[in-house]
Amino acid sequence: AQKITQTQPGMFVQEKEAVTLDCTYDTSDPSYGLFWYKQPSSGEMIFLIYQGSYDQQNATEGRYSLNFQKARKSANLVISASQLGDSAMYFCAMRDTGRRALTFGSGTRLQVQP
Amino acid sequence: GAGVSQSPSNKVTEKGKDVELRCDPISGHTALYWYRQSLGQGLEFLIYFQGNSAPDKSGLPSDRFSAERTGGSVSTLTIQRTQQEDSAVYLCASSLSPPRTTKGSYNSPLHFGNGTRLTVT
Repeated sequence: AQKITQTQPGMFVQEKEAVTLDCTYDTSDPSYGLFWYKQPSSGEMIFLIYQGSYDQQNATEGRYSLNFQKARKSANLVISASQLGDSAMYFCAMRDTGRRALTFGSGTRLQVQP
Repeated sequence: GAGVSQSPSNKVTEKGKDVELRCDPISGHTALYWYRQSLGQGLEFLIYFQGNSAPDKSGLPSDRFSAERTGGSVSTLTIQRTQQEDSAVYLCASSLSPPRTTKGSYNSPLHFGNGTRLTVT
């Protein structure tokens, strides 16, 4: 069965610094995809970045990058040059062959301080 | 283009009443998903539609919950005899039918609506 673990309920970071949000996953399927979503206080879910299990390079999207360590089954999100607008809940999610829907972790609340 | 639309945005109902929540997905998205999010919690999967059929309804918490999709488009989630523990935000999402890449990864992200906040009093 799929499982996503986010061990940091809350994180603080100073504006303009980088921050890493942790995510570990468990699946026996060699084919899977990993996703990160941002949920601001307004409640909308915003797709940030995707990493496929066979991708050779770590995914990057602007200030977001994914530190993918397949052997350790981790897919940490790195946000560079944090901005006040980055304050939100961040969810890691996974899809594999066994389920088309995404399985989400419990989330990490990030607060960016000026 | 238009995103995923959900209605109503807020619904207050009395315990024991039935409610219907509506989702209008992005045009052309054949996959549709319902999730539930309780206050401060993660997203709990309810049901997945591919076209009008629901190959995965494993997340529906009880037989009071049902969903249908017609015309490969609009979906309705129905909760019968609502209970206080049903209070949550119900999120709908849609995606392109997850394409299987040559290496077998499924990379269609889900696009979410703004949700329906259900309060059962």
